[in-house]
Amino acid sequence: KAGVTQTPRYLIKTRGQQVTLSCSPISGHRSVSWYQQTPGQGLQFLFEYFSETQRNKGNFPGRFSGRQFSNSRSEMNVSTLELGDSALYLCASSLQGGDQPQHFGDGTRLSIL
Amino acid sequence: QKEVEQNSGPLSVPEGAIASLNCTYSDRGSQSFFWYRQYSGKSPELIMSIYSNGDKEDGRFTAQLNKASQYVSLLIRDSQPSDSATYLCAVKRNAGNMLTFGGGTRLMVKP
Repeated sequence: KAGVTQTPRYLIKTRGQQVTLSCSPISGHRSVSWYQQTPGQGLQFLFEYFSETQRNKGNFPGRFSGRQFSNSRSEMNVSTLELGDSALYLCASSLQGGDQPQHFGDGTRLSIL
Repeated sequence: QKEVEQNSGPLSVPEGAIASLNCTYSDRGSQSFFWYRQYSGKSPELIMSIYSNGDKEDGRFTAQLNKASQYVSLLIRDSQPSDSATYLCAVKRNAGNMLTFGGGTRLMVKP
């Protein structure tokens, strides 16, 4: 069974640009969550999508947004990039949520110059 | 106070010893608890989940949960150098799918 697939693996952008990251969950998983990992703040929850609806949202500015498609694939978008957005962005999928564990993809490492 | 606290380490143990990793959490509504292992430059990998008080064993790993004390631990028996990694504790309410992570404990297993 294929795991969670994230593309691209690496991205370099400049301040003010926008970026779109993609995540394909494990087959059959309907919940997709996004996390940001930085050395200073650790792993922080961005948002979760289930059945094409945002079900939970973390404490991030509106520049961070996402969506989910009918096949459960998800994208997240960051607009007006700032230096502080440099991070590893991780996508995790689970069957539905509740007590089910989340499985992470390899992440997209975003560097802002 | 952070919602999920872990000693950042490094925790250094000799090969073959038992490594004990601890985690405390503040949200009494937390119902699901997970341990993830993260190698340097890699993504977190789920190694254990636990939902009720007591111990849960899986191979060399044992997770322990005490909801009254708001405490979760992970024991790694017969530690191997390949166990050297950062171990992340994560907690979750069942309503919603948001994991709250601790800062992680770096484990070093010396041959």
